[in-house]
Amino acid sequence: QKEVEQNSGPLSVPEGAIASLNCTYSDRVSQSFFWYRQYSGKSPELIMSIYSNGDKEDGRFTAQLNKASQYVSLLIRDSQPSDSATYLCAVNMVSNRTYKYIFGTGTRLKVLA
Amino acid sequence: EAGVAQSPRYKIIEKRQSVAFWCNPISGHATLYWYQQILGQGPKLLIQFQNNGVVDDSQLPKDRFSAERLKGVDSTLKIQPAKLEDSAVYLCASSLEGNSPLHFGNGTRLTVT
Repeated sequence: QKEVEQNSGPLSVPEGAIASLNCTYSDRVSQSFFWYRQYSGKSPELIMSIYSNGDKEDGRFTAQLNKASQYVSLLIRDSQPSDSATYLCAVNMVSNRTYKYIFGTGTRLKVLA
Repeated sequence: EAGVAQSPRYKIIEKRQSVAFWCNPISGHATLYWYQQILGQGPKLLIQFQNNGVVDDSQLPKDRFSAERLKGVDSTLKIQPAKLEDSAVYLCASSLEGNSPLHFGNGTRLTVT
C-alpha cells in the first residue's frame, strides 16, 4: 500500500463549482498535512496546511482532516480556470526520530470555463 | 524574504556524463531537501539534511548520486555518471524546522540523452 494516495484524475469541474480533492495516508502517527498546487512546468507552492482534526478555511480553500479515518481533503469553492493545476497532498510523519515528508502522486484538476 | 534559489534551471547532458545542481535555502532554514520529480509523479525524496548532517538518504542511488551541504547553508547534488532514467526535475526545498511547511525552489529540469 502506498503511503500517501491520491486519485490522479483529471478531475473536471465547471467554473464556479466546488472541486473536492481527496488524499488518504497509511501512517497513523502522521503529524501534519499539506496541500501544494503545481502548475505545469512550475514547482509546488504551498496553499494549505492543517495539523488537527476538523476544517481549516483560507479564502476559497478549505482543508479537512480526519485522523481516525486517515484522510485529508481540499475543497475549492467557486473554482476558476486559474485553479487548473495538479494538487499534491503531502504528509509529514516521524520516522527514526526524524520528520519525513511523503508526497502523493497528485490530482490533476481542470476547471472548465 | 528571499525564496529558495536553485541553478541551473535547465540542463541537457549525454548519458554517462556528470552534472551538478546547486541550492541556496531560505535564510535560517535548518532543514534542506532534494527531491526528484519524474513527469506525472509526485516528488520523491532523495536526501534530507538537518544543518550539515544527513538525516535521510535511504532513497538516494549512492552509486551515482552524491550530495553535500557545506556549513549548513548551500547544498550541491551531483550525478555521475548519468543514466537516461535520471531525466527529471530536481527540486530543492527548505523548512524552518522539521514540522514546518516546505518551500520549494524553481527546480532544475535535467534531460539525459
